[in-house]
Amino acid sequence: AQSVAQPEDQVNVAEGNPLTVKCTYSVSGNPYLFWYVQYPNRGLQFLLKYITGDNLVKGSYGFEAEFNKSQTSFHLKKPSALVSDSALYFCAVSLRPSGGYQKVTFGTGTKLQVIP
Amino acid sequence: NAGVTQTPKFQVLKTGQSMTLQCAQDMNHEYMSWYRQDPGMGLRLIHYSVGAGITDQGEVPNGYNVSRSTTEDFPLRLLSAAPSQTSVYFCASSYNRGLGANVLTFGAGSRLTVL
Repeated sequence: AQSVAQPEDQVNVAEGNPLTVKCTYSVSGNPYLFWYVQYPNRGLQFLLKYITGDNLVKGSYGFEAEFNKSQTSFHLKKPSALVSDSALYFCAVSLRPSGGYQKVTFGTGTKLQVIP
Repeated sequence: NAGVTQTPKFQVLKTGQSMTLQCAQDMNHEYMSWYRQDPGMGLRLIHYSVGAGITDQGEVPNGYNVSRSTTEDFPLRLLSAAPSQTSVYFCASSYNRGLGANVLTFGAGSRLTVL
């Protein structure tokens, strides 16, 4: 069985400071990792994904994530937080697709609050 | 492009009533799915489909039915609504293969309240 853990229900950061939202995963095989963002009363939007190769993945809105195989982590980062980054962030994992769809499992989400 | 369209956005039901949540996508995605989102529980997969005519159960399928007669549409049916089905429901779709595989596009959600 595969799973995702987001250990922090909420992360508070001051505007302009760097932010990190943590994610660890468990999967039997090569992982396919994702971050999604959800703004209030909206559906989830894709931010970035890790497939293979470079451990640092760059995505939308200045976000990036670092894949660490030994620690089975995929933390989301941004060098300088904006108030508009305040939202709910979800980490997700699947097995790497090979010939068909693979089930995607989501974490419970982390609420990011950027304080002006 | 409309992407993934869900209707209705809001619905209030009484216990025992039935209803259908509609989902349509215009991206020619093979894969479609329904999730429910509850506080503190993240997103849980209800049912999914890897192509027209093919459906399967996810983590929490009880009380829900689905069908996939076309590539575009994937309705979710609540057979006899219960208060435990009060939730926000999301439809999501993706390609099965290639660089877009498993990258889900979500609808805006349907908020259901069962009294």
